[in-house]
Amino acid sequence: NAGVTQTPKFRVLKTGQSMTLLCAQDMNHEYMYWYRQDPGMGLRLIHYSVGEGTTAKGEVPDGYNVSRLKKQNFLLGLESAAPSQTSVYFCASSDAYLPSVGKAFFGQGTRLTVV
Amino acid sequence: AQTVTQSQPEMSVQEAETVTLSCTYDTSENNYYLFWYKQPPSRQMILVIRQEAYKQQNATENRFSVNFQKAAKSFSLKISDSQLGDTAMYFCAFMKHFDYGQNFVFGPGTRLSVLP
Repeated sequence: NAGVTQTPKFRVLKTGQSMTLLCAQDMNHEYMYWYRQDPGMGLRLIHYSVGEGTTAKGEVPDGYNVSRLKKQNFLLGLESAAPSQTSVYFCASSDAYLPSVGKAFFGQGTRLTVV
Repeated sequence: AQTVTQSQPEMSVQEAETVTLSCTYDTSENNYYLFWYKQPPSRQMILVIRQEAYKQQNATENRFSVNFQKAAKSFSLKISDSQLGDTAMYFCAFMKHFDYGQNFVFGPGTRLSVLP
């Protein structure tokens, strides 16, 4: 059982380049999330999705776009990378049922460096 | 808006000893959840413990327990009989009850080192 898988695990981009981070989950979860983690700031929510075909902005959405065309996949796009987007990115998923509230499953992260 | 504060950036504890990590939060909500997540060197976040604000009884999970003080907006994590595998970053997190999308607000984290 793979859980939440993020691709790639590491990437170096030049300023202005674009890329897509892929998140896949095999637990049939309704909710999926993209966070970024920066030193001393914890995890901050970029975008999230409450179901296939729906997305919403989180705390720090500027410079990012997302899509959820299939329930199991959640893509995070950077159209024109900037050095301020250097960070570790985490995808997570959770189900919608009350007993499971807060029990999110996280991927192992993608370390992105923009030079 | 909710905020979560962890005032101890780093802590260390001897193996088999007990350690307490502090967390305070600010909210105007009455119903919410609080969590502690662990991030070991592998980077993968793992849920340690969950507390519902409407429950007065403090949550426990094996060696992990919390001290939830709702009026003081305090939520500390106690780790008993510390083990080397407890070495990790620990994040305190808040979630509103019935929040659309079940979104967390995370604190900045406390790096815990368990020393042999």
